[in-house]
Amino acid sequence: SQQGEEDPQALSIQEGENATMNCSYKTSINNLQWYRQNSGRGLVHLILIRSNEREKHSGRLRVTLDTSKKSSSLLITASRAADTASYFCATEETSGSRLTFGEGTQLTVNP
Amino acid sequence: EAQVTQNPRYLITVTGKKLTVTCSQNMNHEYMSWYRQDPGLGLRQIYYSMNVEVTDKGDVPEGYKVSRKEKRNFPLILESPSPNQTSLYFCASSLLTGADEQYFGPGTRLTVT
Repeated sequence: SQQGEEDPQALSIQEGENATMNCSYKTSINNLQWYRQNSGRGLVHLILIRSNEREKHSGRLRVTLDTSKKSSSLLITASRAADTASYFCATEETSGSRLTFGEGTQLTVNP
Repeated sequence: EAQVTQNPRYLITVTGKKLTVTCSQNMNHEYMSWYRQDPGLGLRQIYYSMNVEVTDKGDVPEGYKVSRKEKRNFPLILESPSPNQTSLYFCASSLLTGADEQYFGPGTRLTVT
């Protein structure tokens, strides 16, 4: 069953702009993770944020988590053409010990 | 280099011809799993394994088998493939549980005609 839903489904921006992707989920979670997938390749882990954290940074990535709204956002600052990829959120529900992935946001960064 | 490997990367086969997709990890991870990725459906878990000789069904196990005889290997078996199993398949591993950071293989694109 789908737990996380990303929004928007697709996003196209110019190099240098910031990109924001959102993820909403339905049930209580222990942690939320963001992954990146280049076309047709394996997913790569970007960042993990736990339910008791509100914000986390990693390089040009900033992730926020609002458990009251059951939502998370991924911000990529100063985007580059190489950031073009699909981005997925994945949640660990409190009732289980595995991840459920959303359908992803396709980000295109135009040079 | 820490990695998850899958073979083959591409496979075209016919309905009913048994096939195996191999998966191997060199990180001494306890947890391994298989996913399929289809347009509009995202990533769905097929089977997972918490440890050697321990396997369990994911969300879409029908038509698939797995085994975990060794810690590093987790092959996916399609006994009688059908066209609806045409998909992009990923093997993944993580340190202890399915909630840990997942390390994904490069994917196997399977076409069943």
